[in-house]
Amino acid sequence: QKEVEQNSGPLSVPEGAIASLNCTYSDRGSQSFFWYRQYSGKSPELIMSIYSNGDKEDGRFTAQLNKASQYVSLLIRDSQPSDSATYLCALKNTGGFKTIFGAGTRLFVKA
Amino acid sequence: DTGVSQNPRHKITKRGQNVTFRCDPISEHNRLYWYRQTLGQGPEFLTYFQNEAQLEKSRLLSDRFSAERPKGSFSTLEIQRTEQGDSAMYLCASSEREGAMNEQFFGPGTRLTVL
Repeated sequence: QKEVEQNSGPLSVPEGAIASLNCTYSDRGSQSFFWYRQYSGKSPELIMSIYSNGDKEDGRFTAQLNKASQYVSLLIRDSQPSDSATYLCALKNTGGFKTIFGAGTRLFVKA
Repeated sequence: DTGVSQNPRHKITKRGQNVTFRCDPISEHNRLYWYRQTLGQGPEFLTYFQNEAQLEKSRLLSDRFSAERPKGSFSTLEIQRTEQGDSAMYLCASSEREGAMNEQFFGPGTRLTVL
């Protein structure tokens, strides 16, 4: 089982719709979770971090964390073509310093 | 520019040659990470520095790879006797703090092509 699992996509949504990106993880002790956006040929850019169960909202983005189900999600409201990118789910593992990334979900927002 | 910088941005080398990459973190960040990313995959952790101390190194990292951060500021990643499988994007990230709130900021990366 991979430590961080994401559906590779592509996930295709029309402009203005809600895009829902999901991530599951195996290390039950993980404490902190991150969503990065990566445009093709560019480096990852941090968009959200979440540490507690529940929802965290920042503009059009909402991160959701459910530690009991070992599940993290990212909702993008009013999706724009400029949101088309790969979204990487990441977590900070327990007992060490490294951050573990999923393989990413490709999102395509159709104008 | 106060972001993470990396040099060179691109490197093409022949198999067997040594290469060295440089990373300059955000000035107030004392934590520095190196990652490797191949097409279709997320970044893979290579190593971590807190100031000048290398505190963690991936077990996947062969002895051909070495990293330094001599004065706790910039860092270098050297790959000796490069192999075609080393072709990847090498990413550097820095962070202001450890623990749960370990938000890392990435540099633009160095793309390595080994012929």
